[in-house]
Amino acid sequence: DVKVTQSSRYLVKRTGEKVFLECVQDMDHENMFWYRQDPGLGLRLIYFSYDVKMKEKGDIPEGYSVSREKKERFSLILESASTNQTSMYLCASSQGFSNQPQHFGDGTRLSIL
Amino acid sequence: KQEVTQIPAALSVPEGENLVLNCSFTDSAIYNLQWFRQDPGKGLTSLLLIQSSQREQTSGRLNASLDKSSGRSTLYIAASQPGDSATYLCAPEHTGTASKLTFGTGTRLQVTL
Repeated sequence: DVKVTQSSRYLVKRTGEKVFLECVQDMDHENMFWYRQDPGLGLRLIYFSYDVKMKEKGDIPEGYSVSREKKERFSLILESASTNQTSMYLCASSQGFSNQPQHFGDGTRLSIL
Repeated sequence: KQEVTQIPAALSVPEGENLVLNCSFTDSAIYNLQWFRQDPGKGLTSLLLIQSSQREQTSGRLNASLDKSSGRSTLYIAASQPGDSATYLCAPEHTGTASKLTFGTGTRLQVTL
């Protein structure tokens, strides 16, 4: 079974802090994704990556950056956390060819105070 | 821009009933459509992926259909059980977007004893 592991289930940070969310997958998947999920808005794509050191903006990249130095690890960075970034963050991965399902981690519930 | 609507937003049924969840999308140029399940406070679990060339996919008591030209998909759950209680999300993958999914806001299902 594919395992996508997010480093923290719950995280509380302060406004202005630099925040790192980590995601690791164990199935050698090429694609990795970061989403945020908010009530009434559903899941929205922040950034994704097709390969090591490659990244593409999703629908809501403002205020975020990402890093993919190794194939199995995809990090989401909040450069200067703000209260409107309080959300559930979900990481996913999938194989690199078409028609492959995305596999999700359990999510990180991030609160910015 | 792809827009995805799921109706109803919430549904409560007694155990044993068969039920249908609906998903509609505005842009029919898709590679596939994926159905996911999300338990409270958890990540998403992939249930079914229907390729654009297919009309149906089945897994156990679940059957998903796809009518690409009309922008509709349904998820049929047979003989519902309390363990089926969760939020169900659909997500088409648009052609040319390389694995990017657009999510609906989901249908929250409760199956009562």
